[in-house]
Amino acid sequence: NAGVTQTPKFQVLKTGQSMTLQCAQDMNHEYMSWYRQDPGMGLRLIHYSVGAGITDQGEVPNGYNVSRSTTEDFPLRLLSAAPSQTSVYFCASSSDRALNYGYTFGSGTRLTVV
Amino acid sequence: GENVEQHPSTLSVQEGDSAVIKCTYSDSASNYFPWYKQELGKGPQLIIDIRSNVGEKKDQRIAVTLNKTAKHFSLHITETQPEDSAVYFCAASLYNTDKLIFGTGTRLQVFP
Repeated sequence: NAGVTQTPKFQVLKTGQSMTLQCAQDMNHEYMSWYRQDPGMGLRLIHYSVGAGITDQGEVPNGYNVSRSTTEDFPLRLLSAAPSQTSVYFCASSSDRALNYGYTFGSGTRLTVV
Repeated sequence: GENVEQHPSTLSVQEGDSAVIKCTYSDSASNYFPWYKQELGKGPQLIIDIRSNVGEKKDQRIAVTLNKTAKHFSLHITETQPEDSAVYFCAASLYNTDKLIFGTGTRLQVFP
């Protein structure tokens, strides 16, 4: 049982490049989300999904797109990377839409935009 | 929307002492308050949570207290050990909504 798997672990992008951060979970969790972690700012919600085909914006959605075509996968797309998107990105999933049982987090993707 | 403030940002204690981290939230309707521990290079991990119908919850050396009137909740770690050193995050959400809002984190260092 792998839990939540994020790839890649590290990535360096040039300003303006695009890329997709991958997230997959094998726990049949309906709820998935993306957070970014910056020093002194904690974890901020980017986008979330309550099931396949359903996504919504979080606190800081600008510059990011998501889709949820399957229960297992929830990729995060950066269409035109900016230095302000340098951060550590975490994907998380939960079995309960009401978040009653907490999140399971992936190990993160460290992204640097130069 | 919900806003969660967390203090202190750093905390250093001697092994065996107690550590307390405090959080305040803005939305009085919030009713689920988890705490996460993040070790270096890893994702956050849930360590304890509390719901608004409970004032205190304990799990071995860890306890969480909730004061709904004052809109604040706290994490208490007793008999701290070096392996408790990590970053701790509080969070808050409204039951049956889909957003969990985190505090800014507390870096706890336990010195032997």
